[in-house]
Amino acid sequence: DAGVIQSPRHEVTEMGQEVTLRCKPISGHDYLFWYRQTMMRGLELLIYFNNNVPIDDSGMPEDRFSAKMPNASFSTLKIQPSEPRDSAVYFCASSEADRKNIQYFGAGTRLSVL
Amino acid sequence: AQSVTQPDIHITVSEGASLELRCNYSYGATPYLFWYVQSPGQGLQLLLKYFSGDTLVQGIKGFEAEFKRSQSSFNLRKPSVHWSDAAEYFCAVGEVAAGNKLTFGGGTRVLVKP
Repeated sequence: DAGVIQSPRHEVTEMGQEVTLRCKPISGHDYLFWYRQTMMRGLELLIYFNNNVPIDDSGMPEDRFSAKMPNASFSTLKIQPSEPRDSAVYFCASSEADRKNIQYFGAGTRLSVL
Repeated sequence: AQSVTQPDIHITVSEGASLELRCNYSYGATPYLFWYVQSPGQGLQLLLKYFSGDTLVQGIKGFEAEFKRSQSSFNLRKPSVHWSDAAEYFCAVGEVAAGNKLTFGGGTRVLVKP
């Protein structure tokens, strides 16, 4: 398997613009997680899905952030409008229901909001 | 709520020397325990995991970890460090009944001196 695939790897945008990050989980995995990593706050769980349904979005920082999973092989994390403080590395991870929490991570998207 | 503490933010070790990274967790029952490694510019890669049974677990890249219930610890060790081990290491705890969710520690950055 190709692993978890995220795109783009790098994104540079201007404040106020809409940003969409994409994730393709490992085929057959039931769970999908979005994380944000910054120097100040470390690795934070933003939201996670089970069978395409959002289960816990308590980590989503503001209404400017939204995530969708229209099918088992694709998820998006959208920021609208973006702000400089959203600059971070965003990771997607996926796992199987019977694999005792083992998560497999994508390479991440480094977002810079100018 | 469960939590994970990695007391050391940075560790510097000479190549060939031994390495031990500390991890303490807070959880009501026996959790699932993990160590992940993140090389610069990369996503997180699973090093090893503990679910039950033998408290000393072996992982990839010559790493091992020992679960000590009495100390609520899951320390990571390597007998002889290689320059390629320079990375950030994350300890994580999985909640048995929380849908594959993981709680991560703040990470320990390892620098390897030649």
